[in-house]
Amino acid sequence: KAGVTQTPRYLIKTRGQQVTLSCSPISGHRSVSWYQQTPGQGLQFLFEYFSETQRNKGNFPGRFSGRQFSNSRSEMNVSTLELGDSALYLCASSSGQTSYNEQFFGPGTRLTVL
Amino acid sequence: QKEVEQNSGPLSVPEGAIASLNCTYSDRGSQSFFWYRQYSGKSPELIMFIYSNGDKEDGRFTAQLNKASQYVSLLIRDSQPSDSATYLCAVNLGRRTTDSWGKLQFGAGTQVVVTP
Repeated sequence: KAGVTQTPRYLIKTRGQQVTLSCSPISGHRSVSWYQQTPGQGLQFLFEYFSETQRNKGNFPGRFSGRQFSNSRSEMNVSTLELGDSALYLCASSSGQTSYNEQFFGPGTRLTVL
Repeated sequence: QKEVEQNSGPLSVPEGAIASLNCTYSDRGSQSFFWYRQYSGKSPELIMFIYSNGDKEDGRFTAQLNKASQYVSLLIRDSQPSDSATYLCAVNLGRRTTDSWGKLQFGAGTQVVVTP
């Protein structure tokens, strides 16, 4: 089985711009969770999508949004970028159908905001 | 109090020795527990998961869970230089409502350095 893929792998943006990141989960997986990783805050949960519905959302401002398509691919959007949004953005794929789901991470998108 | 706590390290381990990593969590209702390994500049890789009290072994790795004491640990036997990485403990609440199923809470990670 192919693993989780994320595009693009690297992004450089300036403050005020917006960005869209993409994640394709493992075939057959219906859940995609998004995380932000920074040296200071570690790995923090952004949100999770299951069958095109947002099931859970972390404590991030409304500038962070996402969606999921019928083929389970997910996108994450950050509007009005701030310097503090520079981070590694990771998506994780799981079946999403039990409370004991293992999550498998993609390679991440490294976002730098100048 | 952080929800998931780990010693940040670095934990220096001689090659061939056992590395012992600990993780405590605050929510007594947590149901599933995961250990991820993350090499510098890479994404986390799942190495172990455990749901029931006791030990679970997979190759050189053993995960131990004690729900009464709210801790989970990871042992790495016969440590190799390739085991040098940051190890992340993650916890899922796994409540009856599905909204928590996709959220993992991570500790800050323990850096392990295996010295030849």
